[in-house]
Parts: sequence; C-alpha cells; structure tokens
Amino acid sequence: NAGVTQTPKFQVLKTGQSMTLQCAQDMNHEYMSWYRQDPGMGLRLIHYSVGAGITDQGEVPNGYNVSRSTTEDFPLRLLSAAPSQTSVYFCASTRTPGSYGYTFGSGTRLTVV
Amino acid sequence: SQQGEEDPQALSIQEGENATMNCSYKTSINNLQWYRQNSGRGLVHLILIRSNEREKHSGRLRVTLDTSKKSSSLLITASRAADTASYFCATDAGGAQKLVFGQGTRLTINP
Repeated sequence: NAGVTQTPKFQVLKTGQSMTLQCAQDMNHEYMSWYRQDPGMGLRLIHYSVGAGITDQGEVPNGYNVSRSTTEDFPLRLLSAAPSQTSVYFCASTRTPGSYGYTFGSGTRLTVV
Repeated sequence: SQQGEEDPQALSIQEGENATMNCSYKTSINNLQWYRQNSGRGLVHLILIRSNEREKHSGRLRVTLDTSKKSSSLLITASRAADTASYFCATDAGGAQKLVFGQGTRLTINP
C-alpha cells in the first residue's frame, strides 16, 4: 500500500546513545517533515525537506540531524540521546503543501532512559 | 509555540449526536487543515480549507473558516463510535512547508 513507512515502531535508548529513525514514502512526494508529539500536546516540527538535497530546521531542531539523498527517504538522526527526547516521532509527506494535506507514518515511540 | 488552540480540550457525546470543535489561531494564514488521530496511530488528513474559502464539506464533516476572527470549526454530524479520536487543526502560519498544530480536542463517542 502506498504511504509513509517508519521504522522502528518502538525503541529504547540509553542516554548518550545515537540512532537513526527511518522514514520512506513511495508517493513521489517532494515535501517531507519530521514531527515529535509529547503527551497532551500537538505536534512540533523538527526538520523538513522540500526535495532531495534540501533540508531546513523547524521549531525544535536541537539534538537532531536530517539528510535527504533521495526523494523517497528522509532519515532522522539523534546524535546523543537525552531523556527530553522521549517522545513519539512522526514522519509526513505531501505532494504540494498548501494544496494537499500531509500523509503521516504510524510513528516511532522512543524512550530514552 | 502553538499557533492553533482547540476548544474544547475534551468532548464526550452520545452516538448519533453532532460534535463541534473549534480552533483559533494568532497570525495570518493561507490555509488551515484538520487531522484525526486514533489512539496510538498516525494522523489522518481530513480537510484543507484555504483562506478565501468560508466553508467546506466532506461526507459528514463540515469545516468553516472565519479569517476575521482567526477561527475555524469542525462539525461532525451523526457521530459514530468510530469517530472517537483526537482532532487537530494545523495552520501554515510558519510557512507552507511548516505546519503548526494545536493541542487537539479529544472526542469520545459513547454508544
């Protein structure tokens, strides 16, 4: 089925460890984004990309890196995990922002201990 | 910072009743979107309404937008148990590629 695929679904990290959250879409969308969702809150934008090779920071980029080497993939890297990064992470993509809504992945639930 | 503020934060109604959720925002926008999130799942896009539109329909959903009051409402008619979810509004106040979400309304439909 066409959509946004995120892996892993669950992850537990120790403070200071690094990891990469994977995101892939098969809809040929140029625009992709990473959000985090904390309990009782809406989503906050971490990083976004408007096409292969082009990324930019969102509202809460500190502690995260992204790259976009292909249209399909948009991985999110945690450089040195901290308990404050415990959250649910969502990847999303769209054909044209402002004309179409975003398609979201099912999320990665990350716990940093 | 949160651009959209949903009201109420939680809403519980009987199946078959209508549910209305409101969203207020602070700065000028080009469009506003509504999303649904079932527990433990990703968000699902419901409706996008542009700033030059006042009302939009999709099945049992009706969205209104009042740019003079910087507010929007989502009406779900003839609610069903499957409508139980959290509903979020999102605006493009930060730019077309940077959606800004509200904190959501948690809707519970009681059988």
